[in-house]
Amino acid sequence: EPEVTQTPSHQVTQMGQEVILRCVPISNHLYFYWYRQILGQKVEFLVSFYNNEISEKSEIFDDQFSVERPDGSNFTLKIRSTKLEDSAMYFCASSEAGRNTEAFFGQGTRLTVV
Amino acid sequence: AQSVTQLGSHVSVSEGALVLLRCNYSSSVPPYLFWYVQYPNQGLQLLLKYTSAATLVKGINGFEAEFKKSETSFHLTKPSAHMSDAAEYFCAVSEGGGADGLTFGKGTHLIIQP
Repeated sequence: EPEVTQTPSHQVTQMGQEVILRCVPISNHLYFYWYRQILGQKVEFLVSFYNNEISEKSEIFDDQFSVERPDGSNFTLKIRSTKLEDSAMYFCASSEAGRNTEAFFGQGTRLTVV
Repeated sequence: AQSVTQLGSHVSVSEGALVLLRCNYSSSVPPYLFWYVQYPNQGLQLLLKYTSAATLVKGINGFEAEFKKSETSFHLTKPSAHMSDAAEYFCAVSEGGGADGLTFGKGTHLIIQP
């Protein structure tokens, strides 16, 4: 069964460092998303990506964040200068079409900023 | 703006008993509604979705949910709880077009008592 894969599963970084979280969406999907879940809180939408550009972003997705689809398979989230409050589980998701279709989620990357 | 409220951060039921997880939404347009389940150390898996077809939606693992516009609710039920149902359950809403992201509730942790 096709699945969304994320690497690494856990990343520890020092405050101020740049991190790149990687995702391989399901191959025939067209829409890609990043969400985050701070420990004990709800899952929050960060950004959606379609046709090689950002489609929508939340207020959380500020200038520190960027997304890229560097090749035909990977979808990355970069945090330029990490802060302690960026510590969270980051989920990548992809869907075949837009809002009325199922978004398939990866298992997440747990980012710990120290 | 859309929002989701899940009543009860923790719900405990006995094995074999009815499961009822409550979700109320707020949306300025007809919404698409989803229930996701998250098992420990895993990503989010879609249980079921409402996309303006039948108001009673059946999903995987014996779960179903009923869309009630008058009550702005989308409660999740299962007639008989199983130990394997213990997990975190998230209600989510999408109201925009295209690649709009999901707005999640805070989640309900379902505990199954033997």
